[in-house]
Amino acid sequence: SQKIEQNSEALNIQEGKTATLTCNYTNYSPAYLQWYRQDPGRGPVFLLLIRENEKEKRKERLKVTFDTTLKQSLFHITASQPADSATYLCALPSSGSARQLTFGSGTQLTVLP
Amino acid sequence: DVKVTQSSRYLVKRTGEKVFLECVQDMDHENMFWYRQDPGLGLRLIYFSYDVKMKEKGDIPEGYSVSREKKERFSLILESASTNQTSMYLCASRTGQGTSYEQYFGPGTRLTVT
Repeated sequence: SQKIEQNSEALNIQEGKTATLTCNYTNYSPAYLQWYRQDPGRGPVFLLLIRENEKEKRKERLKVTFDTTLKQSLFHITASQPADSATYLCALPSSGSARQLTFGSGTQLTVLP
Repeated sequence: DVKVTQSSRYLVKRTGEKVFLECVQDMDHENMFWYRQDPGLGLRLIYFSYDVKMKEKGDIPEGYSVSREKKERFSLILESASTNQTSMYLCASRTGQGTSYEQYFGPGTRLTVT
């Protein structure tokens, strides 16, 4: 069955550095992959979508890559700030129904001042 | 901006009570979803609806039912609340048109069943 794994539950980095979060998936070939941000006690907020034919996508300080051979997406935040501290979730369309998403369990990022 | 609202931010109910969680979206989205989120387990889909009066089971529908009588409103019902249903419940919506696949989430309802 479809499985999504995000690297380490928690990641601490120093302000100004680049944060890199990993999302690996198995048993599936998704047409796209999404990244969401979730702050404590709030619902997730959509950040970026990358399609299977796109290698890289950027939005301001965010960069996402999608390697369908490795079955992996990398999510980068450059020049990180304490305000970037949050949990980041990757999501794929569910193998059973493209209307649904399956979410990873998330990586909690803390940017230290 | 898309707005998804949920009826309560915090709710405390007793075991055996019938619980209604309401979700309303204001963007005329066809698709609506109910998830629960638990530490270490991530977001898990309970039910979703792709049209009025239509519903489909997600990954963990046991103990829950849903109702979608109007396009903008999607209700989650706990027929007889149990302590293992203590969780954060999140509603989301998404358009069924074009290639905009992103989901818009409400603020969540933290339900405690005692």
